[in-house]
Amino acid sequence: GQSLEQPSEVTAVEGAIVQINCTYQTSGFYGLSWYQQHDGGAPTFLSYNALDGLEETGRFSSFLSRSDSYGYLLLQELQMKDSASYFCASGFQKLVFGTGTRLLVSP
Amino acid sequence: DGGITQSPKYLFRKEGQNVTLSCEQNLNHDAMYWYRQDPGQGLRLIYYSQIVNDFQKGDIAEGYSVSREKKESFPLTVTSAQKNPTAFYLCASVDTASTDTQYFGPGTRLTVL
Repeated sequence: GQSLEQPSEVTAVEGAIVQINCTYQTSGFYGLSWYQQHDGGAPTFLSYNALDGLEETGRFSSFLSRSDSYGYLLLQELQMKDSASYFCASGFQKLVFGTGTRLLVSP
Repeated sequence: DGGITQSPKYLFRKEGQNVTLSCEQNLNHDAMYWYRQDPGQGLRLIYYSQIVNDFQKGDIAEGYSVSREKKESFPLTVTSAQKNPTAFYLCASVDTASTDTQYFGPGTRLTVL
């Protein structure tokens, strides 16, 4: 089976940098994805790591360490619109989603 | 425009009634998924289908049923056997030929009175 653990909530101020961690336990590993979900909305894909290292997409970066069963999403130059829930996910053919982290960005 | 549509956005039903949630995609994706999300929680997989006329149970399939008669459509029926059906239901599709990225519909919020 698979399980992915995340902190339940993270707070930060506009312009800051925040890191959202994800630790996982899997019987097999198929990469780590990150999704963003605003309240009442649908999740949208942010980033994917198949191999160790850092993937950068604009203000968002994602990191993976397979030896540590750990990854994180890094958000830079935070904006108010980044306030949302963030989920890590992993799996083959069917994704297992993490517990989710609610990010609150304040002025 | 290509995408996934779910209807209706809000749905109210009386306890004991079956209800069917619609999910349609015109992305030509082979795989489709149904998730349930409760307030403040993550997504839990109900059913998924890798190809037309075939589907598999997810982690919380009890009280739900699906069909996949067409590639574009993957309706979910919430039956009276589902003990706590009030939730946010999300449908997703994947282009399995190129990536495992899931594309989600806008969701249906079901409230059972």
